Amino acid sequence: AQSVTQLGSHVSVSEGALVLLRCNYSSSVPPYLFWYVQYPNQGLQLLLKYTTGATLVKGINGFEAEFKKSETSFHLTKPSAHMSDAAEYFCAVIPSNTGKLIFGQGTTLQVKP
Amino acid sequence: DVKVTQSSRYLVKRTGEKVFLECVQDMDHENMFWYRQDPGLGLRLIYFSYDVKMKEKGDIPEGYSVSREKKERFSLILESASTNQTSMYLCASSSPGDSLSNQPQHFGDGTRLSIL
Repeated sequence: AQSVTQLGSHVSVSEGALVLLRCNYSSSVPPYLFWYVQYPNQGLQLLLKYTTGATLVKGINGFEAEFKKSETSFHLTKPSAHMSDAAEYFCAVIPSNTGKLIFGQGTTLQVKP
Repeated sequence: DVKVTQSSRYLVKRTGEKVFLECVQDMDHENMFWYRQDPGLGLRLIYFSYDVKMKEKGDIPEGYSVSREKKERFSLILESASTNQTSMYLCASSSPGDSLSNQPQHFGDGTRLSIL
């Protein structure tokens, strides 16, 4: 069965520092890949997605992610953290032709002043 | 913008009650989904629907049922609520796109359900 692993349930960075949130998936066939963000008391908002084409994907709010097939990874990065980035982040995959999202456990990002 | 509206943000019910959670989307999406979200477990799929009057079980359907009588509305039903169904419930919708898989899902703000 497909699975998604997010390394680290909590990540803490200082404002202005690099943000790196890790995501690995298990699949012999590259799935479609997504990152979602959830702010407190809200639903999930799409940050970015990879389906085909360029492996470096840019999303909203300055985030980007790189699909690395050899490493089965789709890590999320942002060069400089802002206080408003504090939220929970979910990596998700859709195995081919299923339409069903499989989520990782989530990573809570804390940004310290 | 896609709008997915869940009828209640907070709901408190008693054990044994029949509970209805409603979800409406305004983008004419074919696909609709119900998830529950629990700390440390991420989101888990309860049921989904690819068309009116069509439903498929997700990963944790036990204790739940769904109804999709109209394209824009997808209801989640707790037949006899139990305390282990206390959770955050999220509804989502998506268009089928070129293939079933590559369209992002759009989420509502969630319903935080407490069963006492």
